[in-house]
Amino acid sequence: EVQLVESGGGLVQPGGSLRLSCVASGFTVSSNYMSWVRQAPGKGLEWVSVFYSGVRTDYADSVRGRFTISRDNSKNTVYLQMNSLRAEDTGVYYCARGIAGVKGWGQGTLVTVSS
Amino acid sequence: IVMTQSPATLSVSPGETATLSCGASRSVSSDLAWFQQKPGQAPRLLIYGASTRATGVPARFSGSGSGTEFTLTISSLQSEDFGVYYCQQFHNWPWTFGQGTKVEIK
Repeated sequence: EVQLVESGGGLVQPGGSLRLSCVASGFTVSSNYMSWVRQAPGKGLEWVSVFYSGVRTDYADSVRGRFTISRDNSKNTVYLQMNSLRAEDTGVYYCARGIAGVKGWGQGTLVTVSS
Repeated sequence: IVMTQSPATLSVSPGETATLSCGASRSVSSDLAWFQQKPGQAPRLLIYGASTRATGVPARFSGSGSGTEFTLTISSLQSEDFGVYYCQQFHNWPWTFGQGTKVEIK
């Protein structure tokens, strides 16, 4: 069964760091585009970062230089390292598979940046 | 690329047809997807490539358009079709979503 399970969210102070994980099953992350999408409370959806199936990555301007996407093929897991967090980074973070997430999404993990 | 959806809210009676519009600030060819999201849930893919239904999506959902103008049509609306619908382009990074259309069951 194809599944994406996110974890690592929580409450963090402004300026702090978190690392989100997305464990995949039923397919290999190295052969797929893997992305992170976020949704602020009561707001719309925003693509945060994408790991293309090679080594190339991309970031939204709002997180470039602060967030880093990576993957561990041996664990079939994708990560999002988030540094210098701001209040506006608060939201549910979803892991998605495939270009534009057309091959599936996880259920999300909540990140709250607040003092 | 800025994606603009209209209307913001749509109230439709069961059995009627809902027509949702999505415009792109420049051409995205057919690199357009539609998602449905219900409260507390992850988005669900309905349409990709502007007009191809995703696996398991009922035939009452149909997508059309190319370039800068797109439409999602929900024929014979069912009560379970309530939610927020987002269009999204994947022609250029950053992939971008519209602001959403909320479909309410009248």
